[in-house]
Amino acid sequence: DAGVTQSPTHLIKTRGQQVTLRCSPKSGHDTVSWYQQALGQGPQFIFQYYEEEERQRGNFPDRFSGHQFPNYSSELNVNALLLGDSALYLCASSLVGGQPQHFGDGTRLSIL
Amino acid sequence: DQQVKQNSPSLSVQEGRISILNCDYTNSMFDYFLWYKKYPAEGPTFLISISSIKDKNEDGRFTVFLNKSAKHLSLHIVPSQPGDSAVYFCAASAMAGNQFYFGTGTSLTVIP
Repeated sequence: DAGVTQSPTHLIKTRGQQVTLRCSPKSGHDTVSWYQQALGQGPQFIFQYYEEEERQRGNFPDRFSGHQFPNYSSELNVNALLLGDSALYLCASSLVGGQPQHFGDGTRLSIL
Repeated sequence: DQQVKQNSPSLSVQEGRISILNCDYTNSMFDYFLWYKKYPAEGPTFLISISSIKDKNEDGRFTVFLNKSAKHLSLHIVPSQPGDSAVYFCAASAMAGNQFYFGTGTSLTVIP
């Protein structure tokens, strides 16, 4: 039973570029949430997708956008990258209204 | 605005003794709480949860206590084992399925 998988594992970008991160949820899960974890901090909620729509959103600018596909997989897109976007990006999946969320191992994004 | 706080960045405990990790929250609407364990280079792994209708939940060596009046929860690990060495995050949400707010984590070291 595959858990949550994220790709790529690591990514290096420069300021102003755009990036797309990918997530496949745990088998049987239909809801995907994205978190940003800066160094020394806890994960911060970016947004959650269910039925291909953004269901909730945290306090992140519009440069952060996402998508969910019919097979429940999801993408996180970040435009106009800033140095402060350097972080570990975590994807978590669950059943809608269900707990707990299961996390992937994350994508480490470095902005130069 | 940090709604979930873990005021101890680190904790060291001898093997076999009790580990107590603490977490405070400010939002009285939170009604569901979880603890996650995180090893380096891995995503957070769910450990144990508690809803606000309970004040205690046990799972093997792990027990979570919730004090709603004090807006405080704690995780007890008895007996502590070297494999428990990891960063522990507490998280809270206002309703099942809603976004989670995470603390900044406590790094636990269990000394053999």
